[in-house]
Amino acid sequence: QVQLVESGGGVVQPGGSLRLSCAASGFIFGSFGMHWVRQAPGKGLEWVADIWFDGRNKYYADSVRGRFTISRENSKNTLYLQMNSLRAEDTAVYYCARDFGSGNYYKGLDYWGQGSLVTVSS
Amino acid sequence: DIQMTQSPSTLSASVGDRVTITCRASQSINTWLAWHQQKSGKAPKLLIYKASSLESGVSSRFSGSGSGTEFTLTISSLQPDDLATYYCLQYDSYPWTFGQGTKVEIK
Repeated sequence: QVQLVESGGGVVQPGGSLRLSCAASGFIFGSFGMHWVRQAPGKGLEWVADIWFDGRNKYYADSVRGRFTISRENSKNTLYLQMNSLRAEDTAVYYCARDFGSGNYYKGLDYWGQGSLVTVSS
Repeated sequence: DIQMTQSPSTLSASVGDRVTITCRASQSINTWLAWHQQKSGKAPKLLIYKASSLESGVSSRFSGSGSGTEFTLTISSLQPDDLATYYCLQYDSYPWTFGQGTKVEIK
């Protein structure tokens, strides 16, 4: 079965950096696009970034562009989110999610990980 | 960016009630809209994709409709297990955007 497991979260000071990982299993990782979505405490969902199956195309939310970098290592079935210049407003649970389908069967996000909490605080 | 406006923000209904949640897009997104359910402390779960297609394994009590800028999620007969927050997501164009969520409570 599809499994997505995030890791790497923790407490970091403002201006600091952190790298999140998402380990994928149960499917051919290199055939699917992947996304990061975050949720601040008590708030709604916010799409963060997306990377195509081969890593050639990447898209970012305006709120993180220039500070965050999405990447992947298909040989290791792993997705990453490098977060630099962190701010208090980046505090959130970060979820990785799989992009699935094509044409009339394009679903958007079909499976989500359990999330990893990032806290930006001094 | 495409803005997604959900209503209501909260709704309280009784078991067995028919419940409808609305999502409005600031511009046409064709039918590139999904509905996700998030239970407290859990990851979201896909319910509906392409506005009206039911995800495999999801109860047929859930249905979606709409196109262009107006969309609805309907729960035909509310059950206690449906206690959750529901989010619409447009995936027509970048940046993808979510609605602000609708919290469903059981009376």
